[in-house]
Amino acid sequence: DVKVTQSSRYLVKRTGEKVFLECVQDMDHENMFWYRQDPGLGLRLIYFSYDVKMKEKGDIPEGYSVSREKKERFSLILESASTNQTSMYLCASSLGTGGAETQYFGPGTRLLVL
Amino acid sequence: LAKTTQPISMDSYEGQEVNITCSHNNIATNDYITWYQQFPSQGPRFIIQGYKTKVTNEVASLFIPADRKSSTLSLPRVSLSDTAVYYCLVKAAGNKLTFGGGTRVLVKP
Repeated sequence: DVKVTQSSRYLVKRTGEKVFLECVQDMDHENMFWYRQDPGLGLRLIYFSYDVKMKEKGDIPEGYSVSREKKERFSLILESASTNQTSMYLCASSLGTGGAETQYFGPGTRLLVL
Repeated sequence: LAKTTQPISMDSYEGQEVNITCSHNNIATNDYITWYQQFPSQGPRFIIQGYKTKVTNEVASLFIPADRKSSTLSLPRVSLSDTAVYYCLVKAAGNKLTFGGGTRVLVKP
C-alpha cells in the first residue's frame, strides 16, 4: 500500500513566521504535489515536482516555495506566513510513468495563521 | 481556459443510485479522467479512472461519452458510508492538472 505522510495534522503559526510542511512517500514515486483546499474552492495546485531538485509552478504558487532534495520528500515552505494562507494543505504523489496517473494523498495539514 | 465543473451537492437515500457528472471541456487528448472520494479530515482517495466508454470496478462505474468533454461517476446502491465529497480530476490541454470543485453527496437513511 502506498503511504504518504505529512509531518503535522494541525499547525498554528503567527503572521510573518516561516513555515515548513513536510511530506514523505514510501513508494519510490517520481511525482509529488502540494495542494491547498479551501471551502468552496476545491483543491488548487500550488507546486509539483517530477524529479529530485525539479519543480513546477501550479495554479497558485505566490507566497510559497518548495524543496525536493530527496526523491521521497517534498517540502512546502511559506516564507512569511499570512492569514490568507490559513488552509488545509494536501500532499500527493504519483508513479510518474505517464498515461494513467493515480495520485495518492496524505491526510492533510490544517494550518491556522494568526 | 481549462474548466472542470461539477454540481456542488447532491442528496440521496440509502439503496439508490447516485450519478455525478463532471464537465471538462478542455481535456487533453491522451489523458485519463480520475475520480476521488474524500471524507472529512482525510485526503482524497482514488475511486476509479477511465479514458473512454465505460469502466466498472467493485465500488463504482464511470461513463465517458465519445467526445470526452464530460464524465459521469455512478455509485450503485449507496449507503450512509458513501456520504463524502467526490472530485473529478483531468489533465487539460497544456498539461494542466485540474480538479473539479467537488460534489458533496449526502446519503440519508
